[in-house]
Amino acid sequence: AQKVTQAQTEISVVEKEDVTLDCVYETRDTTYYLFWYKQPPSGELVFLIRRNSFDEQNEISGRYSWNFQKSTSSFNFTITASQVVDSAVYFCALKETSGSRLTFGEGTQLTVNP
Amino acid sequence: DAGITQSPRYKITETGRQVTLMCHQTWSHSYMFWYRQDLGHGLRLIYYSAAADITDKGEVPDGYVVSRSKTENFPLTLESATRSQTSVYFCASSEYRGRNSPLHFGNGTRLTVT
Repeated sequence: AQKVTQAQTEISVVEKEDVTLDCVYETRDTTYYLFWYKQPPSGELVFLIRRNSFDEQNEISGRYSWNFQKSTSSFNFTITASQVVDSAVYFCALKETSGSRLTFGEGTQLTVNP
Repeated sequence: DAGITQSPRYKITETGRQVTLMCHQTWSHSYMFWYRQDLGHGLRLIYYSAAADITDKGEVPDGYVVSRSKTENFPLTLESATRSQTSVYFCASSEYRGRNSPLHFGNGTRLTVT
């Protein structure tokens, strides 16, 4: 069965610090997809990135970067020079190609203090 | 505007009552999902639907009923609400099964069962 673990329940940083959110997953499929979603205080869920299991290149989008390591089953998310607006709950999620459901981790509450 | 809308945004009901949460999407996405979000559990899948008239159980289906007579609508019914069903409910849709397509979420319905 697929499983996603986000061991960090809460993280608090000061503005401009870099922060990494950890995500570890379990799956028996050889082909799967990984996602990150952001949930700001307003409550909506915002899609950030997707990655398929064959593409281990790291990705950078502005201050956001993602490190996918198949060998350790991890898909970590780094925010560089964090800002107060980055304060949110971040969810990592896994979708196996053998199914259509998306399995979420429990989320990491990130608080960026001014 | 195109998108996915949920109604109501907030609902208070009493134990034992039937309540229906509505979900409507304008993208003509094949797949639709219902998740509940609870502290300490992240998002858990209740039911999903691959197309009109096709539905399937997720992780936590007990106490819920769904239907999908039209592609664009996917209502979730609590037939006899219990306090343990107090939660935030999210509806989502996606285009394809098992592919690299993200889920697009509605803004959620906060349900309180007293």
